[in-house]
Amino acid sequence: DGGITQSPKYLFRKEGQNVTLSCEQNLNHDAMYWYRQDPGQGLRLIYYSQIVNDFQKGDIAEGYSVSREKKESFPLTVTSAQKNPTAFYLCASSWSASMNTEAFFGQGTRLTVV
Amino acid sequence: DQQVKQNSPSLSVQEGRISILNCDYTNSMFDYFLWYKKYPAEGPTFLISISSIKDKNEDGRFTVFLNKSAKHLSLHIVPSQPGDSAVYFCAARAWSNRDDKIIFGKGTRLHILP
Repeated sequence: DGGITQSPKYLFRKEGQNVTLSCEQNLNHDAMYWYRQDPGQGLRLIYYSQIVNDFQKGDIAEGYSVSREKKESFPLTVTSAQKNPTAFYLCASSWSASMNTEAFFGQGTRLTVV
Repeated sequence: DQQVKQNSPSLSVQEGRISILNCDYTNSMFDYFLWYKKYPAEGPTFLISISSIKDKNEDGRFTVFLNKSAKHLSLHIVPSQPGDSAVYFCAARAWSNRDDKIIFGKGTRLHILP
């Protein structure tokens, strides 16, 4: 089955630790995105990537890092510099925007930092 | 500065009646618009989209209208059903050589009343 997979669904970390969230897609999509959802804030764009080995900062990139070494994978690292890391993180993928198509989302990872 | 705005945080509609969700945008470069439905602790699912060259797109009970001059779009759901109760996100996409963002609004929570 084709789809986009985020793991794990729930993640707990101690304050000051870096943590990496996984996102894998087998849809052969070019573009991948990371969003963060907080209550009342909607989905805010953290990072996005249009092609392998290239990515751009979104609106709230501070305290996060990403890599795009393979087309299928776009892991997000939440670093200790992120002031409020507890949130629901969503990964998405899509064909290039030139094709006017929708993005498909994973099921999300709930990160709790204690 | 919010580029995609959903000014109604919540909306209650009687079952069987029409639900109208509104969305405004500020960036005239947006050329593709999407609506997503989201349940708690899940990833958003795509509902319907519209290209900027159209002013209406219909899919079953869902219709999206686009008014480019007003930078406004709306999602109509008719008739509304109990399963439609969810948070609805409006999103906009702009394609250029180096930028393929998908920007989301803050969402509108729709309650379908029995």
